[in-house]
Amino acid sequence: AQSVTQPDIHITVSEGASLELRCNYSYGATPYLFWYVQSPGQGLQLLLKYFSGDTLVQGIKGFEAEFKRSQSSFNLRKPSVHWSDAAEYFCAATGSYGNKLVFGAGTILRVKS
Amino acid sequence: EAQVTQNPRYLITVTGKKLTVTCSQNMNHEYMSWYRQDPGLGLRQIYYSMNVEVTDKGDVPEGYKVSRKEKRNFPLILESPSPNQTSLYFCASRPGPRNEQFFGPGTRLTVL
Repeated sequence: AQSVTQPDIHITVSEGASLELRCNYSYGATPYLFWYVQSPGQGLQLLLKYFSGDTLVQGIKGFEAEFKRSQSSFNLRKPSVHWSDAAEYFCAATGSYGNKLVFGAGTILRVKS
Repeated sequence: EAQVTQNPRYLITVTGKKLTVTCSQNMNHEYMSWYRQDPGLGLRQIYYSMNVEVTDKGDVPEGYKVSRKEKRNFPLILESPSPNQTSLYFCASRPGPRNEQFFGPGTRLTVL
């Protein structure tokens, strides 16, 4: 079955430190991949997406993600975290027909000053 | 402004009392979906629609109904709500199957 796994439920980093959020997928073929962010009490905002081509994808707010086919991973990174990045982050994937978007369980990011 | 709107944003109801959550998008998108968000489970798709009068079940359709009579609207109907349907609900739309989803602000539903 198609699935998306985010192994870390919570992550705490210091402001200014680097960040990596992990995402693994299980699909028959290479899916289309997304990272969304949800601030407390808010809806979901798209950070970045990968469909094909360059495996390093740049997004908004200084985030990037790298697609690694050999590891079935699509990890999200940011070189220097700001306090405003504290939120919940969701990795999501859809297959070639794009009918169903499957989400991971989410990773809650806390930023300490 | 391009957006997806949902109403109501908050709703407290009692078991068995039928309710409808409306969803509307002004972007002329063909695809629309409903999700529920529960702690530790992420978002799970309830139903989706690929065009007017075309709908299909997602991962958790039990206890829900939808309709797509117009392109812009995609209401979610709970005929007989139960406490296990207490959740945060999101509507989303997108132009086509391989495009990003645009999410509404969410509807927090409590069923007593």
